[in-house]
Amino acid sequence: NAGVTQTPKFQVLKTGQSMTLQCAQDMNHNSMYWYRQDPGMGLRLIYYSASEGTTDKGEVPNGYNVSRLNKREFSLRLESAAPSQTSVYFCASSAQLAGGPYEQYFGPGTRLTVT
Amino acid sequence: AQSVTQPDIHITVSEGASLELRCNYSYGATPYLFWYVQSPGQGLQLLLKYFSGDTLVQGIKGFEAEFKRSQSSFNLRKPSVHWSDAAEYFCAVGPYSSNTGKLIFGQGTTLQVKP
Repeated sequence: NAGVTQTPKFQVLKTGQSMTLQCAQDMNHNSMYWYRQDPGMGLRLIYYSASEGTTDKGEVPNGYNVSRLNKREFSLRLESAAPSQTSVYFCASSAQLAGGPYEQYFGPGTRLTVT
Repeated sequence: AQSVTQPDIHITVSEGASLELRCNYSYGATPYLFWYVQSPGQGLQLLLKYFSGDTLVQGIKGFEAEFKRSQSSFNLRKPSVHWSDAAEYFCAVGPYSSNTGKLIFGQGTTLQVKP
């Protein structure tokens, strides 16, 4: 049981290049999320997918697209990378606990630098 | 609007000393509250959560937190800090809506432990 996995771990892009960050979970969770983490900003939600086949914008969606490929996989795409997208990206997944809150499980992160 | 505030960006304590990390939230309904820890270069790991019942909750690694509705606070405590506790700590509130599981995160508090 690997939990939430992300690839790649590190990436350097030039301005204008594109790339896709991959995320997969093996916990049969319905909901998946993409966050970015910047110093002093905490975690900010980029996009989320409440269930397979649905995606919605979060707090900072501009410059990103997502695909919920199936229940396990949720990818994040940067079509034309900009230096402002230099950040650490985290994928998370969650399932509602019986009668309780959604506990999110996080992947190890992707450190992206755009030059 | 819902929000989470961690007033202390950086805290330094001596090993063996007690620790309290502050978290204040603004949320319209009864909140679900979480504390996560992030070790350097790692993803986020859940320390503890509160969603009902006893307002003092116990977590992993000897941490506890107390929910105080009157103060809109959910402070994290540990009686005796170990050097391995040095990390960044995030408070979160949610779910933002009943069918998405979105969480709102605070800006984080970095804990440094002096030998």
